[in-house]
Amino acid sequence: DTGVSQNPRHKITKRGQNVTFRCDPISEHNRLYWYRQTLGQGPEFLTYFQNEAQLEKSRLLSDRFSAERPKGSFSTLEIQRTEQGDSAMYLCALGTADEKLFFGSGTQLSVL
Amino acid sequence: GEDVEQSLFLSVREGDSSVINCTYTDSSSTYLYWYKQEPGAGLQLLTYIFSNMDMKQDQRLTVLLNKKDKHLSLRIADTQTGDSAIYFCAPYTGRRALTFGSGTRLQVQP
Repeated sequence: DTGVSQNPRHKITKRGQNVTFRCDPISEHNRLYWYRQTLGQGPEFLTYFQNEAQLEKSRLLSDRFSAERPKGSFSTLEIQRTEQGDSAMYLCALGTADEKLFFGSGTQLSVL
Repeated sequence: GEDVEQSLFLSVREGDSSVINCTYTDSSSTYLYWYKQEPGAGLQLLTYIFSNMDMKQDQRLTVLLNKKDKHLSLRIADTQTGDSAIYFCAPYTGRRALTFGSGTRLQVQP
């Protein structure tokens, strides 16, 4: 069973505040991805980890965004000085050995 | 980079077949996936096809791939109201990530 837990499910914050999302794989997976999805659009790739190494970052990931996966298991995504344009669903996904991606339920961020 | 195009909306009657189409640009895509997203939920992997295949059948789902035209389709037989959702086509780009289209909203009328 490939599962991933994301917390919190919803986050409301004021513009300028920092927020952090967490992704907890239920089972061990080497590859972990972060995607962002805005209303009416498909998910957009943000970044990718192979174990604890961050191997790729999208140009969507401005310097206000930082992601970590310190022990190669759970991961965090932090947004500093949030802007209204950061409002979106942030999705975590795990990659399996046979190249499938399984997504968590996401964290819905609303920046007021 | 990869571009993925899908029609935005499809409406069918319960019991009919649904066909959702997708075109993509990166001919090196090795795997092509279909995901389903219900309101407020994450993405559920429905099925996938390898680029060296033309067709894959999985219960009510049939995936057709025309690699020459870079066209992928998903057919849902005997569509049910529970199939109402947004369906995303997602080629694997080989940089260890998927590129998603904007999705096709399937509405199933009773």
